[in-house]
Amino acid sequence: QQQVKQSPQSLIVQKGGISIINCAYENTAFDYFPWYQQFPGKGPALLIAIRPDVSEKKEGRFTISFNKSAKQFSLHIMDSQPGDSATYFCAATVTYGAQKLVFGQGTRLTINP
Amino acid sequence: DVKVTQSSRYLVKRTGEKVFLECVQDMDHENMFWYRQDPGLGLRLIYFSYDVKMKEKGDIPEGYSVSREKKERFSLILESASTNQTSMYLCASKKGRLAGISYEQYFGPGTRLTVT
Repeated sequence: QQQVKQSPQSLIVQKGGISIINCAYENTAFDYFPWYQQFPGKGPALLIAIRPDVSEKKEGRFTISFNKSAKQFSLHIMDSQPGDSATYFCAATVTYGAQKLVFGQGTRLTINP
Repeated sequence: DVKVTQSSRYLVKRTGEKVFLECVQDMDHENMFWYRQDPGLGLRLIYFSYDVKMKEKGDIPEGYSVSREKKERFSLILESASTNQTSMYLCASKKGRLAGISYEQYFGPGTRLTVT
């Protein structure tokens, strides 16, 4: 059973546009939600993360929006650039005793110049 | 910088062969993980280890085993490779038992395994 559902599976955005990737989770015990970015030929790397005590976290052009009541969170990439073309994974876990991340299915993002 | 290295980038094996995938991390992390990555399925956890000689099954352990004899090294073993094990395999390491920015998982570059 997939505990974190991610959409869309692929996304094409024009340079300068806003890229939006959505995730939904089921387990209300989850309290830490990271996003990972993976470039071709590389392993995923942590991009940005949020805890449910805030509704939004921004780092540069990357913003996570969090809706605890709906059990949904999303990644927004403002002013998308060709260098942002990568696969993005949302994930969820619990803070204490945490060893495992539950990942979404991934979104392949392409930014057209 | 944390470094997680995997023994091979590409590997081609025949059905029924025994396959070893090796992972080494240089940051003295307690936890190490093996995932497989398939399009549309994301990263699925095969096994993880929270200490030397300790292991726990992940979500898809069938057909795999692991070995952790030293803290820095975690091996994934396919006892008898099958075509449905063709995939990208990713190793990761992490310190501590908490989740947070200081406790992120660090991934290796992956091994693309093809079983023919």
